[in-house]
Amino acid sequence: QLQLQESGPGLVKPSETLSLTCSLSGGSIKSNSDFWVWIRQSPGKGLEWIGNIYFSGDTSYNPSLKSRVTMSVDTSRNLFSLRLSSVTAADTAVYYCARQTVVISSHYYFDSWGQGTLVTVSS
Amino acid sequence: DIQMTQSPSSLSASVGDRVSITCRASQNIMTYLNWYQQRPGEAPKVLIYAATRLQSGVPSRFGGSGSGAEFTLTISSLQPEDFATYYCQQSFSVPRTFGQGTKVEIK
Repeated sequence: QLQLQESGPGLVKPSETLSLTCSLSGGSIKSNSDFWVWIRQSPGKGLEWIGNIYFSGDTSYNPSLKSRVTMSVDTSRNLFSLRLSSVTAADTAVYYCARQTVVISSHYYFDSWGQGTLVTVSS
Repeated sequence: DIQMTQSPSSLSASVGDRVSITCRASQNIMTYLNWYQQRPGEAPKVLIYAATRLQSGVPSRFGGSGSGAEFTLTISSLQPEDFATYYCQQSFSVPRTFGQGTKVEIK
């Protein structure tokens, strides 16, 4: 069974870059049918899709964050990563990595999630 | 972006009650609608995908209906483990967007 695990600093200073990694076990990141996703959850904005990456490196980002987001994938280590630059207090949230899978007629949904990691932006 | 609006924001119910939650999209999303359950301290878990399809392992008391811009999640007989927050999410277009959540509390 696929498991995902987020890792990275829990505290980031304003204006710096948030960096998180999601490691996969029990499955391969080189799945033809899956995308790898970052989602965050804050009390003020609820659940927010940050973006996704395919194992080839193709990405799609939320336009609201696009200028600050970079996602990457390392197929040799079976993991993918998130970088969010120029963070402010508004970026404080629980960050989840997840798998977006597809079923009939291009119906996508998030079927496996990491446990989430709280990132606080504060000096 | 497609806006997703859930109602109610919260509800109180008793074990055994039938509960319904509504999700409205700001445009026609056909059946590209998923439902998630989130318990405190846990990640969301998918219950229903493609508006009506039950995810493997999810109890049959959960059901989804609707198409176009209006959808419903129904729990036929509420169980103690069902007290949680429920979210709808559209997969019609990018960016993916979620409803604001409906918290189901014990009466």
